[in-house]
Amino acid sequence: DVVMTQSPLSLPVALGQPASISCRSSQSLVHSDGNTYLNWFQQRPGQSPRRLIYKVSNRDSGVPDRFSGSGSGTDFTLKISRVEAEDVGVYYCMQGTHWPPRTFGQGTKVEIK
Amino acid sequence: EVQLVESGGGLVQPGGSLRLSCAASRFTFSNYAMSWVRQAPGKGLEWVSSITGSGNHTYYADSVKGRFTISRDNSENTLYLQMNSLRVEDTAVYYCAKDPLAFCGGDCYAGSAFDIWGQGTMVTVSS
Repeated sequence: DVVMTQSPLSLPVALGQPASISCRSSQSLVHSDGNTYLNWFQQRPGQSPRRLIYKVSNRDSGVPDRFSGSGSGTDFTLKISRVEAEDVGVYYCMQGTHWPPRTFGQGTKVEIK
Repeated sequence: EVQLVESGGGLVQPGGSLRLSCAASRFTFSNYAMSWVRQAPGKGLEWVSSITGSGNHTYYADSVKGRFTISRDNSENTLYLQMNSLRVEDTAVYYCAKDPLAFCGGDCYAGSAFDIWGQGTMVTVSS
């Protein structure tokens, strides 16, 4: 199984400051069809998860442009350009290239400093 | 707006059974694969099972294989998860999720998973 490793696991950030979350996979996530199936999800306190980013860098509809995804192969990053109060929650990366099983990272908790 | 509504959770004893349902609306249900993802209290997300749009292919996590069965009724726009031989470690919130997979040849399905999630239903396995 592909292991997804996120860092840091806890990220205190001041309002208006940038934040960056790293996600590394135990093997390349490039699929035989040429796509890289790496998603990012946000889970606000008490809510269901919500997909933010798909295929590394594509923002879902309604996702603010302060969120961006980048990376390739085994190393990926989610960046928030200026953290707002509504961004508090846990962020998960997930790979869908080598499945079953789909595998998630451990989660990174973003809080306001 | 696309919507997924889970139901069927509750308290069950170890070794017992439960069937979860997920009612889908406002999209062509039969065109999409669907999945179940769970989250134990205070823990992260764990993929449980997926089923293709036709229902012809099903996939399971090793932790539930042989105990859980995923199915769907495309005429009723409903996804199911039959859970048997439940264990304490199956205690979790169970989410259904829309899963935009595409056939890529042979037994290959690929895509960017879980674009829409339900609100979840809690399953507690305890004596």
